[in-house]
Amino acid sequence: KAGVTQTPRYLIKTRGQQVTLSCSPISGHRSVSWYQQTPGQGLQFLFEYFSETQRNKGNFPGRFSGRQFSNSRSEMNVSTLELGDSALYLCASSSGRRNQEKLFFGSGTQLSVL
Amino acid sequence: AQTVTQSQPEMSVQEAETVTLSCTYDTSESDYYLFWYKQPPSRQMILVIRQEAYKQQNATENRFSVNFQKAAKSFSLKISDSQLGDAAMYFCAYRSASSLNRDDKIIFGKGTRLHILP
Repeated sequence: KAGVTQTPRYLIKTRGQQVTLSCSPISGHRSVSWYQQTPGQGLQFLFEYFSETQRNKGNFPGRFSGRQFSNSRSEMNVSTLELGDSALYLCASSSGRRNQEKLFFGSGTQLSVL
Repeated sequence: AQTVTQSQPEMSVQEAETVTLSCTYDTSESDYYLFWYKQPPSRQMILVIRQEAYKQQNATENRFSVNFQKAAKSFSLKISDSQLGDAAMYFCAYRSASSLNRDDKIIFGKGTRLHILP
């Protein structure tokens, strides 16, 4: 089974631009969740999608949004980029049926905002 | 709101020795799950071990074991016979077990970077 795939691996943007990150989950998984990882704040939950519906959301401004398609692939969008948005963005997939199940993570997209 | 605290930003251990990573959490819930995830330099997080709060027995996975103290809200990870491949960032995480919890999301600590000395 192919793992969780995130594209692109690296991205450089300037302030004010917008960016879209992509995540393809493991085949059969219906839940995709997104996380922001920074040295100062650690790993913070952004949102989770399950069967094309946002199931949960973290404490991030409305500039951060996402969506999930019928094939479970998910995209995350950040509009009006700020310097503080520079981070590693990780996505994870799971079946979404049980809270105790493990998450399968991708290798992340490293976003640098200049 | 639930919180997870890892008080050791970095630790080092000699190869083949044993090391314990600390994690404490705060919650008012009685049923939840606790996890340790490992993030090697490849950046891809991997589940190391998982504990269900209603189980008193500590989870074990090969060289990895936990010391779960529910009353103290403590969940430490013990790595025995440390190997060079264990070098990574380790994250402790909490998730509610309640399907009725509208704030149901996994909460991570800030991580402990583990160095293995040859």
